[in-house]
Amino acid sequence: KNQVEQSPQSLIILEGKNCTLQCNYTVSPFSNLRWYKQDTGRGPVSLTIMTFSENTKSNGRYTATLDADTKQSSLHITASQLSDSASYICVVSARTGGFKTIFGAGTRLFVKA
Amino acid sequence: NAGVTQTPKFQVLKTGQSMTLQCAQDMNHEYMSWYRQDPGMGLRLIHYSVGAGITDQGEVPNGYNVSRSTTEDFPLRLLSAAPSQTSVYFCASSYYRGPADTIYFGEGSWLTVV
Repeated sequence: KNQVEQSPQSLIILEGKNCTLQCNYTVSPFSNLRWYKQDTGRGPVSLTIMTFSENTKSNGRYTATLDADTKQSSLHITASQLSDSASYICVVSARTGGFKTIFGAGTRLFVKA
Repeated sequence: NAGVTQTPKFQVLKTGQSMTLQCAQDMNHEYMSWYRQDPGMGLRLIHYSVGAGITDQGEVPNGYNVSRSTTEDFPLRLLSAAPSQTSVYFCASSYYRGPADTIYFGEGSWLTVV
């Protein structure tokens, strides 16, 4: 069964600190993995997209890694800011005729001053 | 730039009522879709369309209808609302060139069925 599991479910960090969010998936055959940021009351916004051949992708203070062998991805946030408080969603697409997309439940990040 | 526009933002319905959630995009995207987001769960695909006149069911289509008469618009109709349809609904769009196309989401529609 195609699944995307994210951990932790929620996380509280102090402003300025770094953090890493995890995503494990069983989606097959793998096509690509995306990370989205969803602010409270808003729609998800794309942070990164990685295909099978990519193992790291950066977007400002956000760095995503992908290990396609172990089917794991992480999102590292450097020097966190209050505006980083949001849910971070891992999304994995499978190449199955069309493109089946599975969404993780997200990690809720709280950055405190 | 408008992007993906959803209306209404909030709606309360009584059980058995019908309504339509509107979605429009101004990016000339072929692919449009509707998702629902429930607490503790990932977004789940309701219906999708790969172009005008073409629609198909997603993971949780029961109780919902869609149509795609134009490239820009993709309304979602609730036929007879049930409390289980209380959720946040997101419309999304993208090009349909390949798996790495960026998906753009609307701001969401909060629906409560009482």
